[in-house]
Amino acid sequence: KQEVTQIPAALSVPEGENLVLNCSFTDSAIYNLQWFRQDPGKGLTSLLLIQSSQREQTSGRLNASLDKSSGRSTLYIAASQPGDSATYLCAVRNYGGSQGNLIFGKGTKLSVKP
Amino acid sequence: GAGVSQSPRYKVAKRGQDVALRCDPISGHVSLFWYQQALGQGPEFLTYFQNEAQLDKSGLPSDRFFAERPEGSVSTLKIQRTQQEDSAVYLCASSLLPTAGPQHFGDGTRLSIL
Repeated sequence: KQEVTQIPAALSVPEGENLVLNCSFTDSAIYNLQWFRQDPGKGLTSLLLIQSSQREQTSGRLNASLDKSSGRSTLYIAASQPGDSATYLCAVRNYGGSQGNLIFGKGTKLSVKP
Repeated sequence: GAGVSQSPRYKVAKRGQDVALRCDPISGHVSLFWYQQALGQGPEFLTYFQNEAQLDKSGLPSDRFFAERPEGSVSTLKIQRTQQEDSAVYLCASSLLPTAGPQHFGDGTRLSIL
């Protein structure tokens, strides 16, 4: 059974710092991996999606990497801003089984201090 | 632009009552997913539709939970004889293609059972 773990559970950094959020998964037979942002009381906003054949994806100050063989992904946030404060969720989609349901980690709660 | 819309945003019900939660996916999206998110946890898969067909309901926690998407667009998640452990945020997501591409989430319905 696929399990997704995110470390750390919470992170507090001063504004301007570069930071890395970690995600690991137990079954490497994934179709893709998606990083989301969730603000309090809101749904999930998709940040980056990495297909299993890709190594990384970039969007603005965000860079996500994928090492499928070792079961790891990282989300790198450059020059963090207070507006980046949110919970960041990692989710994988397996081959086979249900056609597309995501398996989520518990998230990393990020706080960026001005 | 129209994203995934869920209603109501908040629902309070007494234990034993039936509730119905609605999801309007992005127009033209083939796939529709329901997830349940407990406080401090990542979302967990409940059920999946491809157009009007319910292809996977393996995540539904009991036979009190029922979902439908009769015309392949709007979906309703119904919970009968609600119990306190049903209190959670219920998220709906849709994607354009059945087996690829990002999932787009609504803001969820926060259900509280008293």
